Amino acid sequence: DVKVTQSSRYLVKRTGEKVFLECVQDMDHENMFWYRQDPGLGLRLIYFSYDVKMKEKGDIPEGYSVSREKKERFSLILESASTNQTSMYLCASSAPGNTEAFFGQGTRLTVV
Amino acid sequence: GESVGLHLPTLSVQEGDNSIINCAYSNSASDYFIWYKQESGKGPQFIIDIRSNMDKRQGQRVTVLLNKTVKHLSLQIAATQPGDSAVYFCAEIPQLDNYGQNFVFGPGTRLSVLP
Repeated sequence: DVKVTQSSRYLVKRTGEKVFLECVQDMDHENMFWYRQDPGLGLRLIYFSYDVKMKEKGDIPEGYSVSREKKERFSLILESASTNQTSMYLCASSAPGNTEAFFGQGTRLTVV
Repeated sequence: GESVGLHLPTLSVQEGDNSIINCAYSNSASDYFIWYKQESGKGPQFIIDIRSNMDKRQGQRVTVLLNKTVKHLSLQIAATQPGDSAVYFCAEIPQLDNYGQNFVFGPGTRLSVLP
């Protein structure tokens, strides 16, 4: 059973904290993605990576950074958390040339 | 820029009826269009895709229609069941290649199946 696993289901952090969201996939996929999901706005791409140590900005990269040191792991970093980053964060992976992306269960982050 | 949007944010159907979920897209050069289903508390799951050179594709109880003239995508679900209650997202892949691709998602439609 293929899996994309996000390290936390729920997370509460304080404004100004540095926050790490971890994602691991076991499908040997080259492509990995971080999205945030907000009601009425759908899924918006923050960053994606198509290879180890490679990263590309998505539509809303401000306030975020990413790290891809190993193929199976893609980390999203909130350098200094703010209340407007309260959201559901979804990690996904896919193989090049494949239309199917596999998603993790999501991390609901609340910044207080 | 590229964007995918939905005509209707919510849809309620009677169990056993057919459902039609619609989506408008703006990038006529996209390679593929895809439908995802997201159940409560879960990440989105792939349902079906259609290549841009096709008009129709059928799966198990689902059919996707692509109208390139009006840039419209629809998902038809036959004999809707309670388990079909979810949020449905359309997405597009601007360019599918072996270097990686981006998925552009629409805002989603919530489908509620009434008993």
